[in-house]
Amino acid sequence: DVKVTQSSRYLVKRTGEKVFLECVQDMDHENMFWYRQDPGLGLRLIYFSYDVKMKEKGDIPEGYSVSREKKERFSLILESASTNQTSMYLCASSFRNMNTEAFFGQGTRLTVV
Amino acid sequence: EDQVTQSPEALRLQEGESSSLNCSYTVSGLRGLFWYRQDPGKGPEFLFTLYSAGEEKEKERLKATLTKKESFLHITAPKPEDSATYLCAVQAMGYQKVTFGTGTKLQVIP
Repeated sequence: DVKVTQSSRYLVKRTGEKVFLECVQDMDHENMFWYRQDPGLGLRLIYFSYDVKMKEKGDIPEGYSVSREKKERFSLILESASTNQTSMYLCASSFRNMNTEAFFGQGTRLTVV
Repeated sequence: EDQVTQSPEALRLQEGESSSLNCSYTVSGLRGLFWYRQDPGKGPEFLFTLYSAGEEKEKERLKATLTKKESFLHITAPKPEDSATYLCAVQAMGYQKVTFGTGTKLQVIP
């Protein structure tokens, strides 16, 4: 089974802190994605990566950065956390050149106080 | 810009009462349309991929169909364990990005 693992289920951080969310997948997928999910807004793409050290902005990249140093790991960084970044964060991965689905992690519920 | 609209936002069914969820989409050349199920506090779980108009896929009580403008998720004789939010998403040709709808929250009452 494909497994996408996010490092934390729940996080509480203070405004202004630098926050790291980690995601690891074990299926040798080229693509990895970070989404945030908010009530009424659905899943919105923050960043994605189609290869090591490659990244592309999604729909809402402001206030976030990413890092992909190894194929299996994709990190989301909140440079200076703000209360409007309180959300559910979801990591996903997929093959690049096949018409296949993305597999999701269990999500990280981040609260910024 | 790709767009996905799901309706209704919420649906409440009696156990055994069949119904359909709708996903309307606009995309510049469809690569794939995806259906996911999401339970509260968890990540989405893949259900189906549809690639071309006329295609249908089934899994237990669920059946997904696709036209050039919309997809339906038919639920036959639902059970309480089918209660979840169902998400639809599309991917355009030549792109890796997937655009999601806001989902339909289904509640099946015993």
